[in-house]
Amino acid sequence: AQSVTQLDSHVSVSEGTPVLLRCNYSSSYSPSLFWYVQHPNKGLQLLLKYTSAATLVKGINGFEAEFKKSETSFHLTKPSAHMSDAAEYFCVVSDTASTGNQFYFGTGTSLTVIP
Amino acid sequence: DVKVTQSSRYLVKRTGEKVFLECVQDMDHENMFWYRQDPGLGLRLIYFSYDVKMKEKGDIPEGYSVSREKKERFSLILESASTNQTSMYLCASSLETPVGHLHFGNGTRLTVT
Repeated sequence: AQSVTQLDSHVSVSEGTPVLLRCNYSSSYSPSLFWYVQHPNKGLQLLLKYTSAATLVKGINGFEAEFKKSETSFHLTKPSAHMSDAAEYFCVVSDTASTGNQFYFGTGTSLTVIP
Repeated sequence: DVKVTQSSRYLVKRTGEKVFLECVQDMDHENMFWYRQDPGLGLRLIYFSYDVKMKEKGDIPEGYSVSREKKERFSLILESASTNQTSMYLCASSLETPVGHLHFGNGTRLTVT
């Protein structure tokens, strides 16, 4: 069975400091992994995705994530937080072996950026 | 760029009303999804469709139905709205896996009074 655990429901950082949002997954197959961002009253926007190519994935707005199979983790990082990064972040795993409903969501991490 | 359009941004309905939420995508995607989003619960899948006239139940289908008569359009129907269906509803589409990812609409915030 596939599942995603986002280890922190809330993260607070100061502007200009690094961001780390943690995600662990469980998948029986070779997964695809995604990070999405959601700003208030908006839909979700793709930040980055891992689909079995390079394990270090670079996304939009300076974010990146590293796929670590041995740790079943896909943590999201950014070297320097900006005020505009304040949002809700979702880690998602895709089960590539089944058809139809392949996407499994974490419960989200709310990022606050302190000026 | 893919565009997923949800017909209403905000909607207020009364208990017992039949409610239609419409979603249209413009990129010929095979898969379409309806999720509801509630604080602390993340996104929960209501229904999805992988082809015209095909539908599959998600995790929380009770009280909902869907219709996909054309590839680009996926409708969510609340047969008899109840207050516990007050939520943010998100539509998404994707190409077939493994490379497809979800493209989301901006959501419909539904309030049932």
